[in-house]
Amino acid sequence: AQSVTQLGSHVSVSEGALVLLRCNYSSSVPPYLFWYVQYPNQGLQLLLKYTSAATLVKGINGFEAEFKKSETSFHLTKPSAHMSDAAEYFCAVETSYDKVIFGPGTSLSVIP
Amino acid sequence: DAGITQSPRYKITETGRQVTLMCHQTWSHSYMFWYRQDLGHGLRLIYYSAAADITDKGEVPDGYVVSRSKTENFPLTLESATRSQTSVYFCASTSGALNTEAFFGQGTRLTVV
Repeated sequence: AQSVTQLGSHVSVSEGALVLLRCNYSSSVPPYLFWYVQYPNQGLQLLLKYTSAATLVKGINGFEAEFKKSETSFHLTKPSAHMSDAAEYFCAVETSYDKVIFGPGTSLSVIP
Repeated sequence: DAGITQSPRYKITETGRQVTLMCHQTWSHSYMFWYRQDLGHGLRLIYYSAAADITDKGEVPDGYVVSRSKTENFPLTLESATRSQTSVYFCASTSGALNTEAFFGQGTRLTVV
């Protein structure tokens, strides 16, 4: 069965520091991988998605993620955190048209 | 306006009452989904629909009913609300192609007292 784990339900970083949010997946077939962001009192919106064209994927707002098949990981990074990055981040894996599995989410706090 | 809208945004209901959450999308997307979001569980799929008149159960369907008579609407009904159904509910839609973005509504915060 497919699953997604996100290490750390809450991450705090200082403004300007590196952001690293971890995502590991298990899948019996090559997955499609996504990161979504949820700002307070809003729905989720796509941050980036993995395509087989490149292992390093760039998304909106300066975020990027690297797909590592050997580690079954798709960690999200941003070189320099901004206050506006404070939100909930969800990793998701899609293995068929009707099966999108979301991780439990990581809440990111940015300290001024 | 194009998009996906949910109504109501907030709802308080009593245990045992029937309540319906509405979802409407303007893209003519084939697939629509209902999720519930609870602390520590992320999003869990309740029901989904691949097209009008085609629905199927997700991970946590018990206590919920859906219908999809029109492509653009996908209402979710709690037949007899329980306190364990207090949650934030999200509707989403996709075109149905693999590796495409899911578009989410803003959510309905439901409290069952």
